[in-house]
Amino acid sequence: SQKIEQNSEALNIQEGKTATLTCNYTNYSPAYLQWYRQDPGRGPVFLLLIRENEKEKRKERLKVTFDTTLKQSLFHITASQPADSATYLCALDAGNNRKLIWGLGTSLAVNP
Amino acid sequence: GAVVSQHPSRVICKSGTSVKIECRSLDFQATTMFWYRQFPKQSLMLMATSNEGSKATYEQGVEKDKFLINHASLTLSTLTVTSAHPEDSSFYICSAPIAGALNEQFFGPGTRLTVL
Repeated sequence: SQKIEQNSEALNIQEGKTATLTCNYTNYSPAYLQWYRQDPGRGPVFLLLIRENEKEKRKERLKVTFDTTLKQSLFHITASQPADSATYLCALDAGNNRKLIWGLGTSLAVNP
Repeated sequence: GAVVSQHPSRVICKSGTSVKIECRSLDFQATTMFWYRQFPKQSLMLMATSNEGSKATYEQGVEKDKFLINHASLTLSTLTVTSAHPEDSSFYICSAPIAGALNEQFFGPGTRLTVL
């Protein structure tokens, strides 16, 4: 069955450093992959979408890569700030009816 | 960006009662909405796909008679948890994709349901 794995342990980094989060998937070939941010007690917020034929996508301090050979996406936040502290979710298209398959999320804490 | 609202944001009810949660797209029309449930430190679990003007499509293991979904208009979907029990306590979130967009979804703020 389709499976998505994200760093299970919380990531703690110092302000100003680059945070790198990993999303691995198996038994699947998604047409695109998305990253969302979720704050405690809130719904997820869409950040970036990358298609299978794209290697890299950038948006301000965010960068996403997509390696379909490794079946992996990396999510980078450069010049991290305490306000970036949140849980980041990886989601893959389920191939039909616009459904998404979700990872468990990685908690990021940026320390001042 | 597109805005999705949910109401109520928090509800506490007694076991055996029914609870209705509303999901509205405020500035766009949504022929499809998704209902998710999220337990603490767990991933989003898709419960059902709500389709305007037709029956909802439920995921495997989700009881359609317990979780009633009505998508009566292009901007409103409702989820009713019938005869709620403590194990139904969870965070319920709806989302809607914008027609024509690849599939980025806009989420509501969520509803925290506590069944006593």
